[in-house]
Amino acid sequence: GAVVSQHPSWVICKSGTSVKIECRSLDFQATTMFWYRQFPKQSLMLMATSNEGSKATYEQGVEKDKFLINHASLTLSTLTVTSAHPEDSSFYICSAEGDRETQYFGPGTRLLVL
Amino acid sequence: SQKIEQNSEALNIQEGKTATLTCNYTNYSPAYLQWYRQDPGRGPVFLLLIRENEKEKRKERLKVTFDTTLKQSLFHITASQPADSATYLCALHSGGYQKVTFGIGTKLQVIP
Repeated sequence: GAVVSQHPSWVICKSGTSVKIECRSLDFQATTMFWYRQFPKQSLMLMATSNEGSKATYEQGVEKDKFLINHASLTLSTLTVTSAHPEDSSFYICSAEGDRETQYFGPGTRLLVL
Repeated sequence: SQKIEQNSEALNIQEGKTATLTCNYTNYSPAYLQWYRQDPGRGPVFLLLIRENEKEKRKERLKVTFDTTLKQSLFHITASQPADSATYLCALHSGGYQKVTFGIGTKLQVIP
């Protein structure tokens, strides 16, 4: 139980294009999902907290207009990187809150912007 | 500012020995602390949670201790196996609606 999937697992795109990443909780409902970014040999950095049916809460320094988050249902949250640039290349990981104390992570999406 | 310190250098141990990983924190009053395992190119996998009023937690070959006076948690893997090789992250949570903060992780390599 408590499986979270992400799609795609990796994506290569040209600079200036937009990329959408999906995060799904497969066997449970998640009111809250989180989006993280991880650069090589660095810790997970929380980008935003996504609550079903409401606007996402972004961490300081994260541009909400660049990283669009939609949490339209209790099992799906999407992150869209708009007008991606090479510096946006990273490993993006989502998690879903199973209970207040536990997060279940997806397998991650590796984004490479050329 | 809040800070979580994990030994970012790799820890190499011989198969069968006990691996001990350290997580220290400053300027933080966590309600609970979690340990996760992360394999290369994968998302973290939850292992154990220990609360501020708990001294020790066990799960199979894993043991976690939590000393709020020292502001430290130790994560032990007994009878280590090559399959235990991964990066182990500690994460702190202040409770309520506060966010979880992750350490940088310690890479463990178990040598056959």
